[in-house]
Amino acid sequence: SQQGEEDPQALSIQEGENATMNCSYKTSINNLQWYRQNSGRGLVHLILIRSNEREKHSGRLRVTLDTSKKSSSLLITASRAADTASYFCAINSGGSNYKLTFGKGTLLTVNP
Amino acid sequence: GAGVSQSPSNKVTEKGKDVELRCDPISGHTALYWYRQSLGQGLEFLIYFQGNSAPDKSGLPSDRFSAERTGGSVSTLTIQRTQQEDSAVYLCASSLAGTGGEKLFFGSGTQLSVL
Repeated sequence: SQQGEEDPQALSIQEGENATMNCSYKTSINNLQWYRQNSGRGLVHLILIRSNEREKHSGRLRVTLDTSKKSSSLLITASRAADTASYFCAINSGGSNYKLTFGKGTLLTVNP
Repeated sequence: GAGVSQSPSNKVTEKGKDVELRCDPISGHTALYWYRQSLGQGLEFLIYFQGNSAPDKSGLPSDRFSAERTGGSVSTLTIQRTQQEDSAVYLCASSLAGTGGEKLFFGSGTQLSVL
């Protein structure tokens, strides 16, 4: 199964700025999900985007998917210090419709 | 319960000892997953349960690792003869049906330290 690769590995911004994180993958997907992890413990689901969707919104989050480029981006607008966390993309692909393969994540630091 | 519960939250053990990690998924979730996360790394898939059976054990790193699930609920991950490279956070997740296109609900993990 394939793994998504996040870019950049780390991102540091000021409160109020927008943060953009990218995820690239290699083969076709069923869906792609974004998760957030605080302090190296449990992950929290943010957004799921299916292969036939191009954009989804949830509050200050916007996810895009470009299947022709095999990439996705997560945009956090008007960032807050509380958004400081690691963000992971997870790929569901092929016949293993239950398995999610995670990348190594982007560590986002939002400075007050 | 309200969320996925894992115990213990932290476990320190000596090399060579066996450890058991427990996961209590969200009530009614038929799918359960174990992942491992080493420091600064992504999540490594270990095993997937659908009900009490494990159709995918492909991620278990060695025969020292085993897992079971009983009553379609609680799961136990057992590591025998622990090694220092087993040190990691072990994360459990559950989902409603495991049919894909679902979000996973994660527990807070067990931090395992093998001295």
